[in-house]
Amino acid sequence: EPEVTQTPSHQVTQMGQEVILRCVPISNHLYFYWYRQILGQKVEFLVSFYNNEISEKSEIFDDQFSVERPDGSNFTLKIRSTKLEDSAMYFCASSAGLAGGYEQYFGPGTRLTVT
Amino acid sequence: AQSVTQPDIHITVSEGASLELRCNYSYGATPYLFWYVQSPGQGLQLLLKYFSGDTLVQGIKGFEAEFKRSQSSFNLRKPSVHWSDAAEYFCAVGEPRGGNKLTFGTGTQLKVEL
Repeated sequence: EPEVTQTPSHQVTQMGQEVILRCVPISNHLYFYWYRQILGQKVEFLVSFYNNEISEKSEIFDDQFSVERPDGSNFTLKIRSTKLEDSAMYFCASSAGLAGGYEQYFGPGTRLTVT
Repeated sequence: AQSVTQPDIHITVSEGASLELRCNYSYGATPYLFWYVQSPGQGLQLLLKYFSGDTLVQGIKGFEAEFKRSQSSFNLRKPSVHWSDAAEYFCAVGEPRGGNKLTFGTGTQLKVEL
C-alpha cells in the first residue's frame, strides 16, 4: 500500500541553524501538507500546497518557514533559523483530491530537537 | 473558525469491552470529519472518514463512527476492544474542499486492561 515517507526520522540542530525536512508524498496525490505536534499538545496545521504554490498557511508559518516541491516526488519544509520553540514532531501529509478523495495520509514524522 | 473538542483525555477499558470516544466539532456547514490513531512513536493512521451520505461510517480495525448533525458530534465506537487498540485517538475536522487544513482535537489516550 502506498505511504508517505519522511526523512530523517530524528533531527537535532542548534538554535539559529537551518533545517530541511523531507517528505515523499504518495504518488499521484495532488495536495501536500505540513503539520507539527509539540510534545503533549495537539497536531497543528502549518501549510498546504497545491499546483506548486501555497494554498493555505497558518499563523505559525511565518517568514522563517518555506516549502518547496523541488522535483516530481519530494516535498520539503525549510526552517531558516531554528528556535527552541520549533522543537516538535513534524508530519507531512498528502491527499489525492478531486475524484481521488480529500482524506489526508500522514507520514511517520520527523522529530526535530533544537538545542 | 472550525474547532474540535475531545472531552476525554484518558480512557481505560478492559479488553473485550465496548468503546466510545467522544468528539464534538464546531463548523458552519457540513464538514469533513476524520478519526486518526497514533501509536507511540508512530505517525497518524486514518481510521475512518465522513464526507456525506450515510451517517454511520465504517473504518479499519473494526471501528465505526456516527455523525450526528444535531449534536455536532462524531463519536468513535468499537464493540470489542483488543489490547492492540491502546493508542492515542484524534478527531479532526476539515473544510469540504481540496487543500483543506485539518483541525485536530487534543486527543484521547486509550489504555486497555488485560
